[in-house]
Amino acid sequence: QSVLTQPPSASGTPGQRVTISCSGSSSNIGRNPVNWYQQLPGTAPKLLIYSNNQRPSGVPDRFSGSKSGTSASLAISGLQSEDEADYYCAAWDDSLNGGVFGGGTKLAVL
Amino acid sequence: EVQLVQSGAEVKKPGESLKISCKGSGYSFTTYWIGWVRQMPGKGLEWMGIISPGDSDTRFSPSFQGQVTISADKSISTAYLQWSSLKASDTAMYYCARRLGGGRFDYWGQGTLVTVSS
Repeated sequence: QSVLTQPPSASGTPGQRVTISCSGSSSNIGRNPVNWYQQLPGTAPKLLIYSNNQRPSGVPDRFSGSKSGTSASLAISGLQSEDEADYYCAAWDDSLNGGVFGGGTKLAVL
Repeated sequence: EVQLVQSGAEVKKPGESLKISCKGSGYSFTTYWIGWVRQMPGKGLEWMGIISPGDSDTRFSPSFQGQVTISADKSISTAYLQWSSLKASDTAMYYCARRLGGGRFDYWGQGTLVTVSS
């Protein structure tokens, strides 16, 4: 049972917009920035969004993040086949005094 | 170019000890914390702990406190993850990553696969 809750799966067709939610609490998302990671099959995770809505250099602007209260969301617009991957949210948890990940969402591009 | 290069795959028996490594290059190793993340077969990412290579200050997830040791040797820009007595349930891929402000991991190692089996 992960501290941050994500839907286990999501799907969309090429060109569509999909969103992935991440629900937490006042001790994590409510107080600290949210980061998102993309993990392609058989590879190490990659930082996709940091500090709720910032994109690292090289990440397409099709990817965007937002946060409200104790929840965060990752949106992917103009869905492409290469976006098929697992997506994880993460944040620091003040109660645990450590970081926490969501359980991950497997995105299928149909 | 920032790089984190991890040691190779390991196959161990239950009860054996193990120390895996993560060597940083292309940046000042003591400036940023290094984190360790576990991924069990077919499962999600788990935050294990972090270390400040400059002074070896560490933070652990409660799930991993007392189960593993995290250390660093700043003279060779290398962080370590260590077990004193492995269990079959320690079978997983382990990643190291550089930690920046806001807790984000911006650069990741390639992963070290640890298999524990009798």
